[in-house]
Amino acid sequence: DTAVSQTPKYLVTQMGNDKSIKCEQNLGHDTMYWYKQDSKKFLKIMFSYNNKELIINETVPNRFSPKSPDKAHLNLHINSLELGDSAVYFCASSQGQGAGQPQHFGDGTRLSIL
Amino acid sequence: AQSVTQPDIHITVSEGASLELRCNYSYGATPYLFWYVQSPGQGLQLLLKYFSGDTLVQGIKGFEAEFKRSQSSFNLRKPSVHWSDAAEYFCAVGEVGDYKLSFGAGTTVTVRA
Repeated sequence: DTAVSQTPKYLVTQMGNDKSIKCEQNLGHDTMYWYKQDSKKFLKIMFSYNNKELIINETVPNRFSPKSPDKAHLNLHINSLELGDSAVYFCASSQGQGAGQPQHFGDGTRLSIL
Repeated sequence: AQSVTQPDIHITVSEGASLELRCNYSYGATPYLFWYVQSPGQGLQLLLKYFSGDTLVQGIKGFEAEFKRSQSSFNLRKPSVHWSDAAEYFCAVGEVGDYKLSFGAGTTVTVRA
């Protein structure tokens, strides 16, 4: 059973398109996260939700919009895709919202912009 | 804000040899400290964590890490590496009272036969 699952695993699209990435966790956690990992493997937090409420909103272009329909799901919608959006996007979850909570990661969505 | 430094970008080690990965952080108090491992094409997996107490912590896959307050370090060690330990290793730090983790830039470990 996959604990944190993301779809799709690969996403290849053209500049200017709009795309969504979905994330679901079956761990019963109440906090979920989106991270961006660039080509140098640097990992940066983008957003976090706790019980469907936004608690972390880093300096991210407003073309990125997260949405949490319930505490087991956190989706990421990206408008007007740009070349610089090419990266691997990871979803993660934790029980509790503090920085001390261990996070469980999905396998990532590799987004390539042509 | 805290920062996390992993001084070694890439380490090559022979199978069966010992491994030590360095992590330094800057933060006034004792933070939450983590080591994660990322195998190719996969997400990050938690190896171990430190919050308080015994400064030598044991993790999964035979890894351990030692917290040294005086050096602001949290180095990861394994006495004898296996070929399957080839991966990217990330140190992460969280502030008490905050919500987010800061990750180091990672260390790539290559294991040669």
